[in-house]
Amino acid sequence: QVQLQESGPGLVKPSQTLSLTCTASGGSITSGNYYWSWIRQPAGKRLEWIGRIYSSGSTNYNPSLKSRVTISIDTSKNQVALTLTSVTATDTAVYYCARGEYTTGWLNWFDSWGPGTQVTVSS
Amino acid sequence: DIQMTQSPSSLSASIGDRVIITCRASQGIANFLNWYQHKPGIAPKLLIYGASSLYRGVPSRFSGSGSGTDFTLTISSLQPEDSATYFCQQSFSNYVHTFGGGTKVEI
Repeated sequence: QVQLQESGPGLVKPSQTLSLTCTASGGSITSGNYYWSWIRQPAGKRLEWIGRIYSSGSTNYNPSLKSRVTISIDTSKNQVALTLTSVTATDTAVYYCARGEYTTGWLNWFDSWGPGTQVTVSS
Repeated sequence: DIQMTQSPSSLSASIGDRVIITCRASQGIANFLNWYQHKPGIAPKLLIYGASSLYRGVPSRFSGSGSGTDFTLTISSLQPEDSATYFCQQSFSNYVHTFGGGTKVEI
């Protein structure tokens, strides 16, 4: 079972860029029918899907965040990265990375998650 | 976006009780529904995928059912280690996955 670990600054100033990294261990991020997602949860609110990337580099983003989000993949480091520009206090949340597994019929689910990392946007 | 309404938001039950959590989608999602267990500070765990398939390693006391818009997660005999928050997730929409609001189960 792959293990995922998020890392990055816990505090980001308003209007700046949030950058996080997800490192996968115990398995290659290029193998199998998988994609890699970022998901966040503000305190007291439900989870929000941010977007995903396939090992090919193809991406999909939540339309509500699309103009500010970039997800990238570094196969040499077995890492997936998230950047979110022009952050505000509403971007304060616990950020998770997760591996999505899918079937040929596109049935898909998140089979591995990281423990999450708290990011606070504040001056 | 497809909205997921989960109920109840919290419940208290005793060891051995049967617990049922429901999730309703704002439109039909076939069987593109997954259930997760989340305990504070650790990674969420997949319990059920495809509405009713038990993920490997998950105890058989967990089961899922439903199709279309209405789904349930059942814990047949509640155990102390089942104290957690449970949430559903739809993967029908190819572009935006959405989650239920969560159900906190206390023992």
